[in-house]
Amino acid sequence: DGGITQSPKYLFRKEGQNVTLSCEQNLNHDAMYWYRQDPGQGLRLIYYSQIVNDFQKGDIAEGYSVSREKKESFPLTVTSAQKNPTAFYLCASSFGEGWGYTFGSGTRLTVV
Amino acid sequence: AQRVTQPEKLLSVFKGAPVELKCNYSYSGSPELFWYVQYSRQRLQLLLRHISRESIKGFTADLNKGETSFHLKKPFAQEEDSAMYYCALRALGNQGGKLIFGQGTELSVKP
Repeated sequence: DGGITQSPKYLFRKEGQNVTLSCEQNLNHDAMYWYRQDPGQGLRLIYYSQIVNDFQKGDIAEGYSVSREKKESFPLTVTSAQKNPTAFYLCASSFGEGWGYTFGSGTRLTVV
Repeated sequence: AQRVTQPEKLLSVFKGAPVELKCNYSYSGSPELFWYVQYSRQRLQLLLRHISRESIKGFTADLNKGETSFHLKKPFAQEEDSAMYYCALRALGNQGGKLIFGQGTELSVKP
């Protein structure tokens, strides 16, 4: 069953802690993306990766980090430097330019 | 700079009425435009691509380069169309295939 899986669905973090959100796909997609979804602001791009071992910053990369060691995986770390981390995080993948995205079901992160 | 604007946060219509969700974009080159939809408790999913020129679930969208718009239309709204709709733009030729999304419009279709 092909698709893109995000885990966990809900995540609670204490202030000052780093947390890592998982994103795995078995669609053989080359490109992967992380977006943050906030009410009234749409989806804003955090990081994206076109190929393994390469990634670029999006519009709101500050306070976040990523890695792309495998084609299937693109984990996102929300660091303590992120000022307002409480949000809904969406991962997506694609064959790249000219193709649409397949989205994961999202992770809701709450700082407590 | 590339930008997508959806001027309406909420659009409420009655069942059977026509619906138009507005999308305007700012980009100097040749864009690729998309509409994505998110139904309650479901994943965000692709609805339309402008290059496909297709009709999905009765929705159509035409790219108007002169007005830099890509409005989504349906002649007769159904209750199951109630969802969050996002317009998105991709710059062709570079940018890593990334999409720029608008703020989203919530469509509410009342019985």
